[in-house]
Amino acid sequence: AQSVTQLGSHVSVSEGALVLLRCNYSSSVPPYLFWYVQYPNQGLQLLLKYTSAATLVKGINGFEAEFKKSETSFHLTKPSAHMSDAAEYFCAVSDQEEAGTALIFGKGTTLSVSS
Amino acid sequence: NAGVTQTPKFRVLKTGQSMTLLCAQDMNHEYMYWYRQDPGMGLRLIHYSVGEGTTAKGEVPDGYNVSRLKKQNFLLGLESAAPSQTSVYFCASTLGQGNSGANVLTFGAGSRLTVL
Repeated sequence: AQSVTQLGSHVSVSEGALVLLRCNYSSSVPPYLFWYVQYPNQGLQLLLKYTSAATLVKGINGFEAEFKKSETSFHLTKPSAHMSDAAEYFCAVSDQEEAGTALIFGKGTTLSVSS
Repeated sequence: NAGVTQTPKFRVLKTGQSMTLLCAQDMNHEYMYWYRQDPGMGLRLIHYSVGEGTTAKGEVPDGYNVSRLKKQNFLLGLESAAPSQTSVYFCASTLGQGNSGANVLTFGAGSRLTVL
């Protein structure tokens, strides 16, 4: 069965610093991978997705993620953090073994940005 | 274009009471899902539906029932609420056609349920 593991439940950075949120996946088939962001008291919004095209995926708000099959990783990065990036971030893999292809989520990483 | 709408947004129940959460989408999506979000647990799938009249169990289905009588609506029911069901519930939907695994889920804003 597919699964994702997010390393670090809480990451703190200074404004302007590099953001790195880690995600490792487990999948028996080529995976579809996603990063979602959740701002306080809101639903989840898609940041970016990997669907076996380019291994470096660019998303919204300056975020990008690189699919590394050898490391089974899909880490999310942003070169320069902004205060508005403070949110909870979820890595997810599409469960292709079930008819409904639901997303399986990691436990989330809360990003704090200080000035 | 409303997307995915969940009602109610907030609800407080007493143990043993019943209630229904309604999810409505106006995007003609085939697949719909109910997740619950708990601190430190991420989102866990409760039930899902791959089309009108169909439902299936997810990871944590116990204590919940669902129905998809109309394509645009997906109802989540709690027959006898328990404090362990205190959570934030999210509905999501996706097209479900073609390469389904790559389809993006659209989420509602969530329904916060407290069971006393």
